[in-house]
Amino acid sequence: EAQVTQNPRYLITVTGKKLTVTCSQNMNHEYMSWYRQDPGLGLRQIYYSMNVEVTDKGDVPEGYKVSRKEKRNFPLILESPSPNQTSLYFCASSPNSNAETQYFGPGTRLLVL
Amino acid sequence: GENVEQHPSTLSVQEGDSAVIKCTYSDSASNYFPWYKQELGKRPQLIIDIRSNVGEKKDQRIAVTLNKTAKHFSLHITETQPEDSAVYFCAASRAGGGNKLTFGTGTQLKVEL
Repeated sequence: EAQVTQNPRYLITVTGKKLTVTCSQNMNHEYMSWYRQDPGLGLRQIYYSMNVEVTDKGDVPEGYKVSRKEKRNFPLILESPSPNQTSLYFCASSPNSNAETQYFGPGTRLLVL
Repeated sequence: GENVEQHPSTLSVQEGDSAVIKCTYSDSASNYFPWYKQELGKRPQLIIDIRSNVGEKKDQRIAVTLNKTAKHFSLHITETQPEDSAVYFCAASRAGGGNKLTFGTGTQLKVEL
């Protein structure tokens, strides 16, 4: 089944404890992206990648890192999480090397205490 | 950078009526405008998109119109049904110019029986 998966789906952590949210797609998509969703603010793009080893900042990249070593995986790294990173995170992928026609993962709900 | 404004933030209609959601964008170079639907507790899903070389696009009960001069685009849903109740997000992207995707803040549509 063609899909985008994220792990974990739910995470509670404490300030400063490094964490990684994984994202994987099995559709051989070139474009992958991370978003955060907050009430009243909609979806905001954190980072995106147009292909392996090609990443770029979205609108809210501060406090996050990404890597794209393989086409299928695009992990999101929070080196030192803070409470203002409490949010719902979505990974997405697109068959094109651009932002068109994105398929979203199920989401990861993160709480930073 | 791009800024997308979306109105209204909430919209309530009677079943069978039409619903219209409007968005404006700031970057005249944006050329791709998707609409995503997010049901409660689910991931966003692409429902329709339009490119800047087209003024209108229809898909059954859903249509999107684009006015490049005024930099605004709209989602039209006709003959609304209870299953249309969801949050709808518009977005804008400049394919080939960074491939960021900037979303509006969302419209909560409620279709009442």
